[in-house]
Amino acid sequence: AQSVTQPDIHITVSEGASLELRCNYSYGATPYLFWYVQSPGQGLQLLLKYFSGDTLVQGIKGFEAEFKRSQSSFNLRKPSVHWSDAAEYFCAVGAGRDDKIIFGKGTRLHILP
Amino acid sequence: KAGVTQTPRYLIKTRGQQVTLSCSPISGHRSVSWYQQTPGQGLQFLFEYFSETQRNKGNFPGRFSGRQFSNSRSEMNVSTLELGDSALYLCAIQTQYFGPGTRLLVL
Repeated sequence: AQSVTQPDIHITVSEGASLELRCNYSYGATPYLFWYVQSPGQGLQLLLKYFSGDTLVQGIKGFEAEFKRSQSSFNLRKPSVHWSDAAEYFCAVGAGRDDKIIFGKGTRLHILP
Repeated sequence: KAGVTQTPRYLIKTRGQQVTLSCSPISGHRSVSWYQQTPGQGLQFLFEYFSETQRNKGNFPGRFSGRQFSNSRSEMNVSTLELGDSALYLCAIQTQYFGPGTRLLVL
């Protein structure tokens, strides 16, 4: 069955520190992978997506993610976090650009000043 | 940049009532998907419409239905509301652009 696992429900990092949010997926075919961010009371904003090609994907707001097929992972990284990055982050997998996507449960990121 | 408008933004209903939510893709994209977000279940896929046809459906009861119009605007309807239907309902175009959502509270 298709699924997405985000092992960390909450993560706390200090402002200026590096960040890595983990995502593992289970999918029978070549997946389309996404990372979204959701601020309190808001909808979802797409940070980046991977469809094919270079396995290191650059996104908005200084985020990047690396697709590792052998590990079924698509971890999100940022070299230096800002207080405004505090939000909930969702990893998702789908079969195509317009197909339904399956979301992970999310990781809530807290930033220490 | 594509945008998505959802109306209303907030809604309070009572059990047994029905509700209709609207989603308008500003740029006229033909694919519209709906998702339900709750604290317990997270984000779950409801259904997807493409050129006025339902192309995909999630595991929700028949009380949840939707449709898409020729101008790509989409509506979803929930009949006989239950307390558990309280959620944030999000629509998306191309799985990439999400609207701000409609927050539904069922009392």
